[in-house]
Parts: sequence; structure tokens; C-alpha cells
Amino acid sequence: DAMVIQNPRYQVTQFGKPVTLSCSQTLNHNVMYWYQQKSSQAPKLLFHYYDKDFNNEADTPDNFQSRRPNTSFCFLDIRSPGLGDAAMYLCATSRGLGGAETQYFGPGTRLLVL
Amino acid sequence: AQSVSQHNHHVILSEAASLELGCNYSYGGTVNLFWYVQYPGQHLQLLLKYFSGDPLVKGIKGFEAEFIKSKFSFNLRKPSVQWSDTAEYFCAVNVNGNKLVFGAGTILRVKS
Repeated sequence: DAMVIQNPRYQVTQFGKPVTLSCSQTLNHNVMYWYQQKSSQAPKLLFHYYDKDFNNEADTPDNFQSRRPNTSFCFLDIRSPGLGDAAMYLCATSRGLGGAETQYFGPGTRLLVL
Repeated sequence: AQSVSQHNHHVILSEAASLELGCNYSYGGTVNLFWYVQYPGQHLQLLLKYFSGDPLVKGIKGFEAEFIKSKFSFNLRKPSVQWSDTAEYFCAVNVNGNKLVFGAGTILRVKS
């Protein structure tokens, strides 16, 4: 089945230690997104790629970076995780940009910062 | 800034009860509206969406939602819930063509 895959499902890191979360897709979609979801809150968009074009949300901290080496993979890098970065990180894809496009989500990676 | 409000964070219903989950958004322009569902242990998946045409939208598993532009609302309904509808439900608005703004979610528990 075509899908969005996130690894690992759970990630534990230490305060200040860089961490990378990964996302892959078999849908061959042009757009890939990263959302952050803190406990009991709405998912919040961090950034997205349309093909190789990177689009950062204005309020995304500089501590968060992303890479998309090819169509299938997208990575979220947190350079110096703080306790406040503990959250669920959701990857999503869509075929294109456009208000009516459906976004397809992965299962998420839960990040714990010690 | 655009925002989405979901009125209830937790809802508990008995099987066969009717369901209505409220969703209001703040944005004056053209909107595309979505309901996503997350079953326990699973990923977010699309329940239904509105982008034009008939404001009453039918989705999967017997769910429907009505877009009322004058009330900035997109409430989700189901006439008779089942135990398997236990999940978290998220309303979302797409306003700029690439960004979904989500509500905080409503956790529905259906008692069998």
C-alpha cells in the first residue's frame, strides 16, 4: 500500500543533542510537510517542501531545519533540542499545492527530551 | 491570524446516540475545510472535506458535515455512533493553498 512512513516511532534524545527524524513516502507526491503537535494541542505546521523548494513558516524556530534529498525522503533536524521541543512530529504529503488538496499523514514520531 | 475552534475537547456517548462536533474558524476569504480522524494507535486520516458546491458534505463511515458560511462553521455529524467511532477528531482549514490550520481536536469515546 502507498503510504507515509516515519521512523522511528519513538525517539529519546538529550537536552542539546542534535536529533534527526525521518519520513519517507511511496505516494510520489510533490509536497512534504512537517507538523509539530504538543500534548492536547493542534498540529502546527513547521515547514513544507514543494519538490525541492523549501518553505519555512514565519514562526518556526531556527533550531528546526529540514532536508529533502529526493522525492521520497524528507528529514527534520533539531539542532539543539530543548525540553519544550518534546512533542509528536507528523510528516504529511500532498500531490500538489492547492486549498482542496488532501494531505496524507504518517503515524508520527514522538520525541522525548531528557 | 487564522484559527480554528473546536468546542468540546472530550465527548462521551453511548452507542446509537447522535453526534455533532462543533467547529468554527476565523477567516473571511475563501476556505477549504476538512475533518480528519485519528483512531487509537493510527495516523491522521481524512474523513471528509469541503471545497465548493453543496455545503452538505458526506464522508466515510456515515459522517457528514455542513458548511455554514454565515456562521463560519463546519460541524461534523453522525446520526448513530458506533463503538468503533472512538477516536480523536480534528477540524482544519486550508487558507493559503498549502497550510492546514488545525483545531485542538475532540476526543470521542463511545460506550458499548
